Amino acid sequence: QVQLVQSGAEVKKPGASVKVSCKASGYTFTSYGISWVRQAPGQGLEWMGWISAYNGNTNYAQKLQGRVTMTTDTSTSTAYMELRSLRSDDTAVYYCARDSVGYCSGGSCYGEYYFDYWGQGTLVTVSS
Amino acid sequence: QSALTQPASVSGSPGQSITISCTGTSSDVGGYNYVSWYQQHPGKAPKLMIYEVSNRPSGVSNRFSGSKSGNTASLTISGLQAEDEADYYCSSYTSSSTRNVFGTGTKVTVL
Repeated sequence: QVQLVQSGAEVKKPGASVKVSCKASGYTFTSYGISWVRQAPGQGLEWMGWISAYNGNTNYAQKLQGRVTMTTDTSTSTAYMELRSLRSDDTAVYYCARDSVGYCSGGSCYGEYYFDYWGQGTLVTVSS
Repeated sequence: QSALTQPASVSGSPGQSITISCTGTSSDVGGYNYVSWYQQHPGKAPKLMIYEVSNRPSGVSNRFSGSKSGNTASLTISGLQAEDEADYYCSSYTSSSTRNVFGTGTKVTVL
């Protein structure tokens, strides 16, 4: 069965960086993308960005450009999300999700832009 | 990119039907058939309920259905059950640089 297992909770100081991992199993990792979605306490869902596990192409939310980097390690079927220059409003639960868009090429993306399996979430707390 | 607009709360009695709306623009909901819906119980990860406006993933009850008209998508839950009490979020592809956008979320209460 498809599973996405994320790394554990983190506590960081403002200005620091955090790197969250997401290990996939139960499917061919390179046939799908991974999106990252976060949820601040008591708030709604926010899409952060997508990475193709096929070729490493990325697409980041405009508001996070320059602070976020998403990578994959196909040898271990693991995706990573690093967020830098952390602020208090980055405190949230961070989710990875399998993305139906596997890859993009020449301006076209192949998939239907939905997230069918989710990790359990990783709480990142930013506090001085 | 602004979040899609959903009602903050919707309620209904067991057995009734309810509908949750999700309003966007021609750059997202109205322009593409890439609307999906997610159910989230407290403290849990979201679960995909509907994709491509009206398709149900395997294992999702046929009491859940989706539709779209113009810039507004809708999720209908028929035969409401206690287990349906949760938060629901819509999501859409958007032609802006931020590829996906979520709705503001709707809390469903079963009376």
